[in-house]
Amino acid sequence: EIVLTQSPATLSLSPGERATLSCRASQSVSSYLAWFQQKPGQAPRLLIYDASNRATGIPARFSGSGSGTDFTLTISSLEPEDFAVYYCQQRSNWPRTFGQGAKLEIK
Amino acid sequence: EVQLVESGGGLVQPGGSLGLSCAVTGFTFSSFSMSWVRQAPGKGLECVAYINGGSITIYYADSVKGRFTISRDNAKNSLYLQMNSLRDEDTAVYYCARHRAGWPDLWGQGTLVTVSS
Repeated sequence: EIVLTQSPATLSLSPGERATLSCRASQSVSSYLAWFQQKPGQAPRLLIYDASNRATGIPARFSGSGSGTDFTLTISSLEPEDFAVYYCQQRSNWPRTFGQGAKLEIK
Repeated sequence: EVQLVESGGGLVQPGGSLGLSCAVTGFTFSSFSMSWVRQAPGKGLECVAYINGGSITIYYADSVKGRFTISRDNAKNSLYLQMNSLRDEDTAVYYCARHRAGWPDLWGQGTLVTVSS
């Protein structure tokens, strides 16, 4: 099973700042990595797929990069609605696995 | 409107069974793979079962293999998850999700399953 480790677990920033979240895989997943956003009481929302492609309707301030084992989600300038929990997921192998989540909170 | 609506959650005793359904509208259901993803209270996400459009390819997480069965009825635009021999650790919100280009791009609102005596 591929283990995805996200860091930091919690990131405290202010609106307008830049956020950088990391996801490291225990073995190469090529570019088969996605990022999801989840707000309290809501289902996850796909943000980025195949490491760097924005999903439909996702604002340009969200970007993804990386390949192999190291990946990054960047939010260029935080909006109030961006404070949420973020998960990475791989689809290189079954079982599909998620990272443990990273909470982006308002400072 | 494109929508996935789960139903069937509730309270069940350990060792019991429960069946979940996911009704789909707004897209050609048979053209898409689907999955069930669960989230225990206050915890992260776990993909428990996956099925392709023709029900040929099916995967299960080890934690549910032999106890859960995923199926679909393309004529009824519905996805199912039959859960048997339920355990306390199966308590979670269960989401159905549509897969596009290999990724779960559309999710339902979830249904809560509570396993407790």
